Amino acid sequence: DAKTTQPPSMDCAEGRAANLPCNHSTISGNEYVYWYRQIHSQGPQYIIHGLKNNETNEMASLIITEDRKSSTLILPHATLRDTAVYYCIVRGPHSGNTPLVFGKGTRLSVIA
Amino acid sequence: EAGVAQSPRYKIIEKRQSVAFWCNPISGHATLYWYQQILGQGPKLLIQFQNNGVVDDSQLPKDRFSAERLKGVDSTLKIQPAKLEDSAVYLCASSRLSGSFYNEQFFGPGTRLTVL
Repeated sequence: DAKTTQPPSMDCAEGRAANLPCNHSTISGNEYVYWYRQIHSQGPQYIIHGLKNNETNEMASLIITEDRKSSTLILPHATLRDTAVYYCIVRGPHSGNTPLVFGKGTRLSVIA
Repeated sequence: EAGVAQSPRYKIIEKRQSVAFWCNPISGHATLYWYQQILGQGPKLLIQFQNNGVVDDSQLPKDRFSAERLKGVDSTLKIQPAKLEDSAVYLCASSRLSGSFYNEQFFGPGTRLTVL
């Protein structure tokens, strides 16, 4: 079973920041938080991952609270192409090639 | 590099019929996964291969599902006979095999199966 809780849906105006929350209150000290997204009719796509420090890449930023029980994925300037289901996933430190355990995710709708 | 290829993209069959899906992973990726995604849910692992060996098939309904990866490259997933509850998208993913603690999984576009 997924170790995370996410809201089922969110809306965001185009050009604004999209902030997607995720609760992972049972996360272990050595487990990482990963985010994937799935655009309609496509397979999931990796976005970002982190342990305890905030992370940023060309797609998004990941903010993890100090107690690591929750995190927020930030899309700084959402576009219509960011409309997708976003999955927050917790994985162990030596996950290597272990499979991903998905929950139901958050359906983000970016509105023009 | 080319992505994960899957075919067919769509398939409609009647219950009790058989169906097969094909996946060609990214070149050089030793690990291959098949996931099942029922409408409104996240993908769920069916089976994982490393080269041509099975790593995890604990979630595969073996009475009707089978999968193979004979030469450690492409793979086929078969359902025989299909049931109504098998209607889903079947996703194939692949990743490198290395000493890294994390290897990104790349997903194909999936095959949407409808069982009538």
